Amino acid sequence: QVQLQESGPGLVKPSETLSLTCDVSGYSITSGYYWGWIRQPPGRDLEWIGSVHHSGGTSDNPPLKSRVTISVDTSKNQFSLKLRSVTAADTAVYSCARHGPTILDPFDSWGQGTLVIVSS
Amino acid sequence: DFQMTQSPSSLSASVGDRVTITCQATQDIDKYLSWYQQKPGRAPKLLIYDASNLETGVPSRFSGSGSGTDFTFTISSLQPEDIGTYYCQQYDHLPLTFGGGTKVEFK
Repeated sequence: QVQLQESGPGLVKPSETLSLTCDVSGYSITSGYYWGWIRQPPGRDLEWIGSVHHSGGTSDNPPLKSRVTISVDTSKNQFSLKLRSVTAADTAVYSCARHGPTILDPFDSWGQGTLVIVSS
Repeated sequence: DFQMTQSPSSLSASVGDRVTITCQATQDIDKYLSWYQQKPGRAPKLLIYDASNLETGVPSRFSGSGSGTDFTFTISSLQPEDIGTYYCQQYDHLPLTFGGGTKVEFK
């Protein structure tokens, strides 16, 4: 059974870069599927950030695209999110998840989520 | 973007009640809608995909229907373990988008 676990700093200063990693166990990233990041700011809706394929191909949500880098490390069976130039509006619970074989598939497994606060 | 409007935002029901949640898309998404359950402090869980297909292992009291722009999620007989927040999500077009969630509580 696939399991996903987010890790990274819980506090990031404004204008800095938010960096999170999602460790995948019970399934090899190279076996296929897309892997995504979703966030939920306090009191607001879930927002898809972007997704990556094990080949390295990515797709990002346009409002965040200029600040987002999602990458995969097949040797560690993990994928990562970098969000640059953060502001308080980027405070949210960040979750990683697995899609199906294509990016237009639902998320069939999710991590617990990790709260990241942007504050000086 | 394909906006998803979910209603109600919250509801209170009793054990055994039939619970219905709706999700409306701003544009036709065919059958490409999923439903998730999230319990406090837990990861979301996929319940329904392709509007009406039950994910493996999900109890049959959960069901979904609809196509195009209007979708319905139903719990036929609410159980204590069903308390949580439910979300719809469209995956017909990028960017992927979610409904605002429905919090299900006991009366």
